[in-house]
Amino acid sequence: DIQMAQSPSSLSASVGDRVTITCRASQGISSYLNWYQQKPGKAPKLLMFAASTLQSGVPSRFSGSGSGTDFTLTISSLQPEDFATYYCQQSYSPPLTFGGGTKVEV
Amino acid sequence: EVQLVESGGDLVQPGGSLKLSCAVSGFTFSTYWMNWVRQAPGKGLEWVAVIKQDGSEKHYVDSVKGRFTISRDNAKNSLYLQMNSLRAEDTAVYYCARGYGSGMAYWGQGTLVTVSS
Repeated sequence: DIQMAQSPSSLSASVGDRVTITCRASQGISSYLNWYQQKPGKAPKLLMFAASTLQSGVPSRFSGSGSGTDFTLTISSLQPEDFATYYCQQSYSPPLTFGGGTKVEV
Repeated sequence: EVQLVESGGDLVQPGGSLKLSCAVSGFTFSTYWMNWVRQAPGKGLEWVAVIKQDGSEKHYVDSVKGRFTISRDNAKNSLYLQMNSLRAEDTAVYYCARGYGSGMAYWGQGTLVTVSS
C-alpha cells in the first residue's frame, strides 16, 4: 500500500501569509495526487487534482506542484475563509490513501 | 445540481451489521466510479472502498476486507455499503463520494455510524 506523509500536521498563520503544505508518497505516484480542504462539520472539498490542476471554482491563490513522490500545496495569500484542515490523497492505485491532514489555524 | 445523500447510519452493537445507502442525482451515475470514505470523531479522512461504473471492480482498505461490501444499483442511482462484524473502531461519519483518478469532486453530507454496547 502507498503511504502518504503530510507535513506539518498543523501550522499557525495570519491573513495574507504565504502557506506551504507538503505531501510525500512512499512510492512514485506520477501526478495522481489530489488536495482537499475540510472545515469543521462539513464534507471535504476538492481543491486540486492531478497535482497541479485547480478544481473549477477554486480561487487562484491555491496552487499545487510536484510529481513522483513529493508534492506541495501553496496558498499565496491566506484569506479568513482558508482556515481549515487540508488533506492530500493519492489516486494512483487502491487503497486510495489520504495524508494525515494539516490544520491551518490563526 | 449534483447531489449525494447518505442514509442508514445508526447506533449498532459490536458484531452487528448495518447497510448504508447513498442516493445520487444530477449526473449520470452509471458513468462514474464511486467511493465510501469515513472519518472517525476528531480524526482524519480514511478511504474505505471504491466500485467501478459497472460494479465489475471493487477495492477495499485492508481493515474492512471480508467485513464490508460495496455495491451499486445503476437503475436506482444508488450506492451501498454493507457492513458486517462491526467493531468500535468502525465508528465514524461515512461519506459517499464521486470520482477516482482525478480526485473525488462531489461528496455527500455524511451519515454517522456508532458502534457501541
